[in-house]
Amino acid sequence: QKEVEQNSGPLSVPEGAIASLNCTYSDRVSQSFFWYRQYSGKSPELIMSIYSNGDKEDGRFTAQLNKASQYVSLLIRDSQPSDSATYLCAVGLSNFGNEKLTFGTGTRLTIIP
Amino acid sequence: NAGVMQNPRHLVRRRGQEARLRCSPMKGHSHVYWYRQLPEEGLKFMVYLQKENIIDESGMPKERFSAEFPKEGPSILRIQQVVRGDSAAYFCASSRSRTGSWNEQFFGPGTRLTVL
Repeated sequence: QKEVEQNSGPLSVPEGAIASLNCTYSDRVSQSFFWYRQYSGKSPELIMSIYSNGDKEDGRFTAQLNKASQYVSLLIRDSQPSDSATYLCAVGLSNFGNEKLTFGTGTRLTIIP
Repeated sequence: NAGVMQNPRHLVRRRGQEARLRCSPMKGHSHVYWYRQLPEEGLKFMVYLQKENIIDESGMPKERFSAEFPKEGPSILRIQQVVRGDSAAYFCASSRSRTGSWNEQFFGPGTRLTVL
């Protein structure tokens, strides 16, 4: 079983719709969760971090965490063509970071104009 | 406010040569992490350093790879006697060290290593 699992996609979503990206993790003691966006040939860019159960909203992005189910998701509202990228889910074990992160292999998202 | 800097951005080496990758963390950050991304694969942790200390090297191959973060200057990831399988993108990330607060990692632009 992979430590952090994501559907590789590609996930195609019409422009203006909601894109939903999912991630599951195997280590129950994980404490910190991150979503990074990576455009082709570029470096990962942090878009959301979440540490507590529930929802966290930032603009068009909402991260959802359910530690009991070992599940974290990212919702992108009003999807734009510029959202087309690979989205990486990353997990850490500690409360405050400063540790290695374990990444999923990423979900490739394509927004269709 | 400069972000994480890495150089060179592209590096070509022949088999058996040495590769040196450099990383300067963001201003105010004292923690450096190196990750490797093979083509069509996810990011894999290699090593975590603070100034003059290796904190976690659990992801580093046992041979040919080494890393340092000296008191002065950038962090260096060194690969000796490179082989074709070392061809990858190497990313450096940095984070702050704030007690009682979240310390996210921010990535540099990466070094694309090609071994001929």
